[in-house]
Amino acid sequence: DAKTTQPNSMESNEEEPVHLPCNHSTISGTDYIHWYRQLPSQGPEYVIHGLTSNVNNRMASLAIAEDRKSSTLILHRATLRDAAVYYCILTDNQGGKLIFGQGTELSVKP
Amino acid sequence: GAGVSQSPSNKVTEKGKDVELRCDPISGHTALYWYRQSLGQGLEFLIYFQGNSAPDKSGLPSDRFSAERTGGSVSTLTIQRTQQEDSAVYLCASRGGTSEKLFFGSGTQLSVL
Repeated sequence: DAKTTQPNSMESNEEEPVHLPCNHSTISGTDYIHWYRQLPSQGPEYVIHGLTSNVNNRMASLAIAEDRKSSTLILHRATLRDAAVYYCILTDNQGGKLIFGQGTELSVKP
Repeated sequence: GAGVSQSPSNKVTEKGKDVELRCDPISGHTALYWYRQSLGQGLEFLIYFQGNSAPDKSGLPSDRFSAERTGGSVSTLTIQRTQQEDSAVYLCASRGGTSEKLFFGSGTQLSVL
């Protein structure tokens, strides 16, 4: 399974944009990039996913580098409720076995 | 139900006892996953069921762990002769059709004394 590397932690101020990076230099051509987040004392929840093109949804945007060796999850205006651990995951074919790394713990300051 | 349901939400057991954890996936979801999360750690993959295919058991940590999925729906994770290091939150997730999204339950907090 291709691996991802994320910073252990990041801080943001409320109502400011947040850019969460993820490196995946060994990504294969068929790997999808998924992002999940886990709020305290809850199971993870889906955020966004993509293959090659940048993606937007109501929660976030996903910017994928042209060589696909890195990606960035963008929260356009962080709120206190966005404080969570964010996981960047690769998987071949659609879905399959998702292997979670340690993720990035995002703190949001008021 | 509307989401993935896990039971019990909390389980306290004594070392050496067997435990069974249950997962009810979202109706119609063909894929079902089990993960384990120790305190302060990330999610550890345990096992993955996809339709009628043989499950991917590559994450099970020892032969004390087993899981089955009956009728393509409900799944039971069984831990035999529990050890203190088995203490963790056990999370179940399901995925349906061509959707790429996993939907997680709230987990079972297992404490082995």
